Amino acid sequence: GAVVSQHPSWVICKSGTSVKIECRSLDFQATTMFWYRQFPKQSLMLMATSNEGSKATYEQGVEKDKFLINHASLTLSTLTVTSAHPEDSSFYICSASVFIAGKNTEAFFGQGTRLTVV
Amino acid sequence: QKEVEQDPGPLSVPEGAIVSLNCTYSNSAFQYFMWYRQYSRKGPELLMYTYSSGNKEDGRFTAQVDKSSKYISLFIRDSQPSDSATYLCAMRPNAGNNRKLIWGLGTSLAVNP
Repeated sequence: GAVVSQHPSWVICKSGTSVKIECRSLDFQATTMFWYRQFPKQSLMLMATSNEGSKATYEQGVEKDKFLINHASLTLSTLTVTSAHPEDSSFYICSASVFIAGKNTEAFFGQGTRLTVV
Repeated sequence: QKEVEQDPGPLSVPEGAIVSLNCTYSNSAFQYFMWYRQYSRKGPELLMYTYSSGNKEDGRFTAQVDKSSKYISLFIRDSQPSDSATYLCAMRPNAGNNRKLIWGLGTSLAVNP
């Protein structure tokens, strides 16, 4: 099946620094990718929808200047957490939209990135 | 009221048991229903995908959608310890450009050998 590779799987950074997370679709072209955040024992919270070649669409309450999303190609989307603070520590997951039964659906998720800001 | 309700459990069953996982929802516009499995510290994995009402079977997994009751279920037969994970339901309307999924909280399942 299709594979979405997310890197790094975990990262520890100092408060005030920026961290970039990559999400790649390895064997298919993903016109749309999604970025989620998940706190312990909580469900997935959609942060933004990323379309190739255009600006990302952010969910209400998500700071677009803090969470920079770039989707420069059909196989790569990046999330940069700028000026990270301890409250940004979380599990970040990307997913890619593919066609199933003639409809777009989120079928494949990356492995997730555990971000810890100290 | 949340759009999607899912009992977080935890649910603990012996190996070989039949497991029933459920979600209820309030938005009658939902048409696509999905079940994902998530192991600890990993991304979700799509298990079952159903459009509108009905049943769908894949190996030991059966997904049911009852739109009249706004209720969906996932059944796992002959459960195995490797099925121990969190199971999340997700759904969305059949609107052309609206691909935003609405997620349940997830049910934690432990299958004991």
